[in-house]
This record gives sequence, structure tokens and C-alpha cells, in this order.
Amino acid sequence: AQSVTQLDSQVPVFEEAPVELRCNYSSSVSVYLFWYVQYPNQGLQLLLKYLSGSTLVKSINGFEAEFNKSQTSFHLRKPSVHISDTAEYFCATVSGGYNKLIFGAGTRLAVHP
Amino acid sequence: EAGVAQSPRYKIIEKRQSVAFWCNPISGHATLYWYQQILGQGPKLLIQFQNNGVVDDSQLPKDRFSAERLKGVDSTLKIQPAKLEDSAVYLCASSSVTGGGEQYFGPGTRLTVT
Repeated sequence: AQSVTQLDSQVPVFEEAPVELRCNYSSSVSVYLFWYVQYPNQGLQLLLKYLSGSTLVKSINGFEAEFNKSQTSFHLRKPSVHISDTAEYFCATVSGGYNKLIFGAGTRLAVHP
Repeated sequence: EAGVAQSPRYKIIEKRQSVAFWCNPISGHATLYWYQQILGQGPKLLIQFQNNGVVDDSQLPKDRFSAERLKGVDSTLKIQPAKLEDSAVYLCASSSVTGGGEQYFGPGTRLTVT
């Protein structure tokens, strides 16, 4: 069965600093990978996804993630964070034939002024 | 388009009581999911519907949890009787395709069992 490991439960960072949130997945033949963001008291929103093609995927708000097959990783990066990026970030992969999402435990990003 | 709607947003009950949650997916989405998110953990799939039928309920505690999706649209998730460990956020999501399609999540229902 597919699984996802998020290596950091919390990441504190100062505003305008770069950040990397780490995600490793268990290897499988077909890999679909997602990053979801959850702002306080809200549901999850898709940030970006890798289904196939280019290994570097980008979101509209400056985040990017790179699919690395050899290292089974899908780390999320942003070169300069804002206070508004403070949220919980979940890495997820699909397992089985019915689009079942398997989530990591989440990484809480706290951006400080 | 309207997003996934859930109600209530918050619920507090005592253990051994029953509770029900409601979800209205995005119009036209054939697939509906219920997830349980315990504090400090990622969401865990409880049950997945494809139209009216259940395609995955392997992690649903069937002795106390039940769910239905009538007419392939709205869905309800019920817990009877509730236990302390059922305290969590219950998320509903929907998607229009299978095999890698994006899931759209509702705001969730925060359940506290005392």
C-alpha cells in the first residue's frame, strides 16, 4: 500500500525567508502526488499536483514542488514566504484504483514577522 | 460554482449519544468521500461513494459508523454510539473523475465527544 511521510511536524520561519517542507512517498508503479494546504478552521485546498510530465510543478502563489523518483520525494518549496502562508500543509498520494488519497501527518508552517 | 457544503460546522455531544453530519458535494461530482481528521494527524478516508454505491469502506468502524448517499447527491455520516476517540474533524470531499482527479473539500464538522 502507498504511504507518505512528512519529515517535519513544525517549521518556523521568518517572513521573506525561503522554506522547504519535506515529503517522501513509498515507491509504486504509478505515482500521483499532491500538496494540500489547510488554513485555520477551513477545509483543505489543493496547492499543486504531479500526475505526469514535467517533474517541477508550480502553484499560483509562488510554491513549487519537484517530483524526484530516485529519492522518492516531493518536497515543497517557496523562495520567500509571507505571513499569510501560515497554515498546515499536507502531502498526499493516490492509492488503489478509486482515487483514494493517503495523507501524511502534516507540517505546520509558522511564518513570523 | 458552489463548493462542498457541510453542516453542522461544530457539534458537542456526550459519549454514547448519536450524531449525524450532512454533506452536499459540488454539482455533478460522482465521487464523494468522508475523511476523519484527528488533531495532529492527516485526514484518513472513512468511506468513498461512486454515485450511490460504496467503493471503499475498509476503514469505517462499521459497528458504530454508517453512511449513505441517496440519489447519488447528498450524503450523511452517522455515529451511534459515539466514543471519546471519535472527537475529530469530519471532512467531506467530492471529485468528478477517478484516477488522479482533484478532490474538493468542504470546511469540515468539528466533533467534540465529552
